[in-house]
Order: sequence, then C-alpha cells, then structure tokens
Amino acid sequence: AQKVTQAQTEISVVEKEDVTLDCVYETRDTTYYLFWYKQPPSGELVFLIRRNSFDEQNEISGRYSWNFQKSTSSFNFTITASQVVDSAVYFCALSVPTGGGSYIPTFGRGTSLIVHP
Amino acid sequence: DAGITQSPRYKITETGRQVTLMCHQTWSHSYMFWYRQDLGHGLRLIYYSAAADITDKGEVPDGYVVSRSKTENFPLTLESATRSQTSVYFCASRRLAGAEQYFGPGTRLTVT
Repeated sequence: AQKVTQAQTEISVVEKEDVTLDCVYETRDTTYYLFWYKQPPSGELVFLIRRNSFDEQNEISGRYSWNFQKSTSSFNFTITASQVVDSAVYFCALSVPTGGGSYIPTFGRGTSLIVHP
Repeated sequence: DAGITQSPRYKITETGRQVTLMCHQTWSHSYMFWYRQDLGHGLRLIYYSAAADITDKGEVPDGYVVSRSKTENFPLTLESATRSQTSVYFCASRRLAGAEQYFGPGTRLTVT
C-alpha cells in the first residue's frame, strides 16, 4: 500500500530564512504522481506542483523549488527567503494507479510552516 | 462563476440526523472526490468518482453515502450523523487520472 510521510509536524522560521519541507513516499508502482498543496490560514487548498515518476528534474518557480529523488523516495520542497505569506500547512500527496485505471491520492499529514516577521 | 463550490459552508446538526453536503464543479472534470480533514490526520479520502454513475470507496467510507447522477454534482450524505463525523469536508475534482486536484472551499460540519 502507498504511504506518504511528512515527518516535520511544525517548522518555525524567521522571515528571509530558507526552509525545506520533507516528503518521503512508499509505493511499489513504477508509474505514479507526486504533488504539493498549500493550505493557508484561510483554509482553502491550493495546488503547487505535480511530478510524474519518470521525470526527476528539479523544478524552480520563483522562491519555490522541488527536489525529486527516486533513489531515496523523496520529494522535498524548499522555500528560499521565506516570507510571512508562506505561513501555511503544506501537504505532500502521492497518486498511484488502481486496477480500474484511476489514480487515487494519498496525502501526508502535512507540515505547518510558521514564518515570523 | 466557474470553479468548484460546496454548500453549506457551515453546518451544525444533531446526532442521528441525516445531512447532505453538496459539491458542484463547472469544469466537467471526470473525477470528483470527498475528503475529511481532522487534526493530526491530514486529508483522508472518503469516496471518489471516476465519472457519472461510477463511485468507489476511499480510506474512510463507513457512515457515508455518495451518488453522482450528473458529472458536475457529487453530494455526500451522512445517513445518521455521529459526533465522530465532526470534521471539515473538502470536495475536489480533477480532469484526468494523474492530474492535480482542485478543491472546494470546504464545509465545516459539527455534530452535537
């Protein structure tokens, strides 16, 4: 069965610090998708990034970057020069195929990031 | 407006009552999902649907019923609400099997 572990329950940093949120996944499938979502204090869930299992290229989007390493089954998320607006709960998710061809997501328990001014 | 909406946004009900949470999306996405979010558990999948009239159980389906007669709607019914079903419920949709999900604003349900 698939599993997503976000070992960091809460991280507290001061503005402008860099911070990395860890995500470790488990699956026996060779084809799968990985995601990060953000949940700010307002409560909505916002999609950040999607990666398929065949694409290990790292990605950078502004201050956000993602490091996907199949060898360690990790998909870590780094925020450079953190800002107060980055304060949120961040969820990592893994989608694996079912017998019917659907891809069912499993979410980690989330990491709460608090950025202090 | 386009997007995914949930109603009601807040609901208080009594133990034993039936309550239905509504979810509507305007993108004609094939897949729709219901999750519950509880402190310490993250998001747990209740039910999902790959298309109209096709539904399947997720991780925590007990006590819930779903239907999907139209692509755009995916209601979730608690047949006899219990206090353990007090939670925030999120509906989500996605276009393709491996695609990202788009979430509704959530429904905060309290069962007294």
